[in-house]
Amino acid sequence: DADVTQTPRNRITKTGKRIMLECSQTKGHDRMYWYRQDPGLGLRLIYYSFDVKDINKGEISDGYSVSRQAQAKFSLSLESAIPNQTALYFCATSARTGGTEAFFGQGTRLTVV
Amino acid sequence: TQLLEQSPQFLSIQEGENLTVYCNSSSVFSSLQWYRQEPGEGPVLLVTVVTGGEVKKLKRLTFQFGDARKDSSLHITAAQPGDTGLYLCAGAGGGGSNYKLTFGKGTLLTVNP
Repeated sequence: DADVTQTPRNRITKTGKRIMLECSQTKGHDRMYWYRQDPGLGLRLIYYSFDVKDINKGEISDGYSVSRQAQAKFSLSLESAIPNQTALYFCATSARTGGTEAFFGQGTRLTVV
Repeated sequence: TQLLEQSPQFLSIQEGENLTVYCNSSSVFSSLQWYRQEPGEGPVLLVTVVTGGEVKKLKRLTFQFGDARKDSSLHITAAQPGDTGLYLCAGAGGGGSNYKLTFGKGTLLTVNP
């Protein structure tokens, strides 16, 4: 089983719908992140969380919200999806100590029509 | 905003050739990481370089961190089709943000048999 699991892997949704992407990890890491990846733009940080009670905005948080339900679970919500949120979304984790190496999930491909 | 510029953006070569990809910034990073991403998967960490001037080797891959810790290079010797993928560099610790990774946009490498 993967250390960082994202669900769903693929999702097509309509404009205006609320959608939640989920991430769970078995690495025991405190830190969790949500990124989106777009062709030509690379990976951009949406939100990050250092522990259950610490959630911070990244560089592109508008239109997104997150919830850290437990140390192992971090979900990303699009309150009202719009077409330019079509992208590949990645969850990642890192340890509090020992460096910032990130461990990524397999990604969720989201299409908003 | 810290930026990491990767070059070239695209690279298509024949099996057996050597290649170098570059990652440059005007910011100083406490460490720099290289990831490889294959289609449909999340990025996977290849190496972390920490000390200015550091050189690390991973089989046919050689990674170097610049003396000033602002740039890095990845050299692949005798490339193979299995090396095909998106290579991403990521800097940690720029601007005092030790927790946060700044990603380059990546170099898409295709190695043709």
